[in-house]
Order: sequence, then C-alpha cells, then structure tokens
Amino acid sequence: GENVEQHPSTLSVQEGDSAVIKCTYSDSASNYFPWYKQELGKRPQLIIDIRSNVGEKKDQRIAVTLNKTAKHFSLHITETQPEDSAVYFCAARRNTGFQKLVFGTGTRLLVSP
Amino acid sequence: DGGITQSPKYLFRKEGQNVTLSCEQNLNHDAMYWYRQDPGQGLRLIYYSQIVNDFQKGDIAEGYSVSREKKESFPLTVTSAQKNPTAFYLCASRSTGGSYEQYFGPGTRLTVT
Repeated sequence: GENVEQHPSTLSVQEGDSAVIKCTYSDSASNYFPWYKQELGKRPQLIIDIRSNVGEKKDQRIAVTLNKTAKHFSLHITETQPEDSAVYFCAARRNTGFQKLVFGTGTRLLVSP
Repeated sequence: DGGITQSPKYLFRKEGQNVTLSCEQNLNHDAMYWYRQDPGQGLRLIYYSQIVNDFQKGDIAEGYSVSREKKESFPLTVTSAQKNPTAFYLCASRSTGGSYEQYFGPGTRLTVT
C-alpha cells in the first residue's frame, strides 16, 4: 500500500524566513496531494492541495510543488509569521479503488518573532 | 465549521467501559472516516465508510466498532478490548462525486483511566 514519509519532524525559523517541508510517496498511482495545518487541540484544516496533472500551485504565501517522477512533493511557506506555527501534515491518495488519504507523520513548525 | 460535528469535545471513562463517540455531517457526503491521533503522532485510520450500511476496517480497527445506518451519521464505539484508548479521535467526511477535499470534525479527546 501507499507509504508517505515527511521531513523534517520539527522546523524552527525566524519570522520572515521561508520554510520548506518535504514528502515522498510510494504509490505511483497516487494523484492527489493535500497539505493540512493543525493547531494545538484543533482539527486539521486543508491549506493547499495539488493534483498530479500540475507541477506547482500557489496561494499567497503558500506553494506546493510536485515531482511525479521522483515521487516527491513539498510545501513552501514564504515570509513566515508566528501564526504559521502549527503541525503540518502531507497526504497522498490514489483515484482508483477505495480512496483513502495516507498521511505523513507531521512537521512541527515554530516561527519565532 | 465545515458542517461536520463531533460530540462531546472531552470524554472521560473508566477502564473496562465501552464508549461511543458521535460524528454527524450535513454536507451530504457519502464517505466518512475515523482517525486516531496520539500526541506527536500522525493520523491513523480506524474505520471508513463509502456508503450507508457499508464500512471497512482501516489500519488500526482492533478494539473499535462502527455503524453507518444514516448517511449523515458515523458513530464510533471504543470497546473495552482496545488496549490503549486514550487519544484524540477525529472524524472526517468527503464527497465521492468529484470533490477531492476531505473535511475534519473538531475531534473528541477521550481519556480512559
């Protein structure tokens, strides 16, 4: 089955710096890659997603890139702010059979003022 | 809050007791999911259901049971057979009609002593 690895497990940056979180997946049939942000004690919330027919997607300070050949996808946050501090999860899903998301283990991002 | 609710927010039980966690959605979603999250961990799939009256075991189903008698409801019972039931439980739902996004409920934090 699908396996998603996520790195790093923790990431500390200064306010205004960029942050990059990387994920790799194993199932070449996966075609949907969402990123979720989870604040302490709260529900995960979708912040951006990408489908396999595009290589990059941006939404203001957040971008996701996908390399299907290498089976890598990454989250890029520019001009980080303290409110970006949270745990970020990547996930992957195929569009055939039962469509379940497989999650990475999460990255704890800390943005210091 | 995305139309998916879980109750209660906090739940305390004595060891040996069964407990049922509620999950309701008014999004008209076909698919519903239960995840377990332990401190500092990712999301692990317990059970999922794609349609009413049908559900399948996820990766960690032992000690749990579910029912799907109505489209909008997917309750999870944590039985006394679950060896380490204390965790944060998240319910999620998704339309199977083309939308890729999966929405999460606010979660129930279960503590068993």
